[in-house]
Formats: sequence, C-alpha cells, structure tokens
Amino acid sequence: SQTIHQWPATLVQPVGSPLSLECTVEGTSNPNLYWYRQAAGRGLQLLFYSVGIGQISSEVPQNLSASRPQDRQFILSSKKLLLSDSGFYLCAGYPGTANYGYTFGSGTRLTVV
Amino acid sequence: RKEVEQDPGPFNVPEGATVAFNCTYSNSASQSFFWYRQDCRKEPKLLMSVYSSGNEDGRFTAQLNRASQYISLLIRDSKLSDSATYLCVVISNDYKLSFGAGTTVTVRA
Repeated sequence: SQTIHQWPATLVQPVGSPLSLECTVEGTSNPNLYWYRQAAGRGLQLLFYSVGIGQISSEVPQNLSASRPQDRQFILSSKKLLLSDSGFYLCAGYPGTANYGYTFGSGTRLTVV
Repeated sequence: RKEVEQDPGPFNVPEGATVAFNCTYSNSASQSFFWYRQDCRKEPKLLMSVYSSGNEDGRFTAQLNRASQYISLLIRDSKLSDSATYLCVVISNDYKLSFGAGTTVTVRA
C-alpha cells in the first residue's frame, strides 16, 4: 500500500522568506503526485500535479513552484512567501489503480506572519 | 461553474438518524469517484470508492448517477463519530483530481 510522508507538520514563516515543503512516497513506483492547499474553512485547491519525474502541471498561477527530482519525491517551494500563502498544505499520491483512491500525507500547517 | 459542487450543510442530525447528501460534477468524461472524510485540522481519508452499480460499506451507501452527473452518500444509524466533513472527489481521464468543498455533518446525542 502507498504511504505519503510529509514534513514539517507546522511551520511559521515571515513574509518574504523562502519555503520548501517535501513529500515522499513509500510503497509504490511512478505514482501521480499532487500538492493541495486548504485555507481555513475552505475546500481543497489543487496547486500542482505530476505524472512523472520532471513533469509538473500548474493549476493556479501564483508565487509557488513545484519540482519532482525523483520518482518518489515532490517538493513545493516559494522564493518569497506572502501572507495569502498561509494554509494547510497537503501532498497526495495516486498509485495508478483506480479503485484504491488517493492517499494523503498528514499535511503541513503554514502560517505566514 | 465549479467542476465539483456539494451542499456545504451543515447537516445536524440526532444519533440514529439517516442523513444523505449529493455531489454534482461537470465533466461527463470523469472516470472515478470517491468519498473522503476529513476531520477538523486533519488530512482527508478515503471513506469509500463509488462504483457504477452503487456500493455499500456497513452503514454507508454510495450511489453514482452518470446520466445526471451526481454521486450520493447515505449514512444510516448515525453515530457521534460520524461527525466530520465529507468530501466528494472526482477523477478525470487525465488523472486530475477535483474535490468538492465538502459537506459538514454533525451528529448530536
């Protein structure tokens, strides 16, 4: 079965500072990987998804970027954080077997101050 | 129009009651459907897949209506522990995952 590891669990960063969130996958090869953001009291917003190494699709133009340097590693970055970047960031993976659904990491709660 | 829409609720029901809610999707080429459960400040967790013929898992029943492009979730004999936000998830044929904003269910004693 697929397991998504995500860290850190919580992060407080000043406006204008850089960001790097890492997500790693265990248990499957060549998964589709996703970064989501959930603002307080809101639904999940898809930020990026990747179907393979070096392949990134961006859903929302913003000051965030994503990279997939290895098959089981997905990184979310920013050069300069904005207050509006605060939220709950979730990494998700899809193993390629439709009926097993998607697995989420435990999330990173980012507060930009 | 949003790709996936849900009634946000909240649905406040007594223990033992039955509660049901729907989720509509706009992409007729959508291939897979799921219900996820999200507890406050936690990550979503898979509750059940939704099959074309409908499926049941204990007190939970999911239905898919492709003609009208909606899925439903019914919870029988509600428990206090069923209180959560239920997210509808639709997967397109290019593996893009779309979430509804969630339906909040509160079960009271």
